[in-house]
Amino acid sequence: EIVMTQSPATLSVSPGDRATLSCRASQSVGTKLAWLQQKRGQAPRLLIFGASIRTAGLPGRFSGSGSGTEFTLTITNLQSEDFAVYYCHQYSNWPDTFGQGTKLEIK
Amino acid sequence: EVQLVESGGGLVQPGGSLGLSCAVSGFTFRSFEMNWVRQAPGKGLEWVSHIDTGGSSTHYADSVKGRFAVSRDNANDSLFLQINSLRAEDTAVYYCVRGDTGGRFDYWGQGTPVTVSS
Repeated sequence: EIVMTQSPATLSVSPGDRATLSCRASQSVGTKLAWLQQKRGQAPRLLIFGASIRTAGLPGRFSGSGSGTEFTLTITNLQSEDFAVYYCHQYSNWPDTFGQGTKLEIK
Repeated sequence: EVQLVESGGGLVQPGGSLGLSCAVSGFTFRSFEMNWVRQAPGKGLEWVSHIDTGGSSTHYADSVKGRFAVSRDNANDSLFLQINSLRAEDTAVYYCVRGDTGGRFDYWGQGTPVTVSS
């Protein structure tokens, strides 16, 4: 099984600033990597797939990059609604696996 | 609007069973593969099970293989997860998740909680 490792576990950032979240795969997943956002008490929501493709309606301040084993989610001009937990998800190989999450909190 | 609504969760004793359901609307259910993903309290996400469009091919996480059974009713736009021989470590919120043709999990239900405790 492919192990997904996210860093950091917690990221404290001020509103209006930039946040950079990382995800590493234990073996190549190509670009079959998605980013999900989960707010407290809610279900996860797909933000980015194919490593860099934004879902419809997702603000342009969210961007994904990377391929193979190293991926990054960047959120610029952080808004209050962006503070949440973010998970990466590889769907390249069975079984699908997720990172342990990065909690983005207000500094 | 795509909607997935889970039901059937609750409190069950160790060794017991539960049947989870997911009613979907807003898309052509029979055209999409489906998954169950769970999240233990305060923990991350764990893929549990997958079923193909026709229901003939299923996959399970090693942690639930032999105890869980996924099925679907395409005529009634419903997904099911029968969970047996429950253990404390099965305590989690269980999400019904649509898998699109590329394999990504694009829509999630709100989840149904399962608590295994005596």
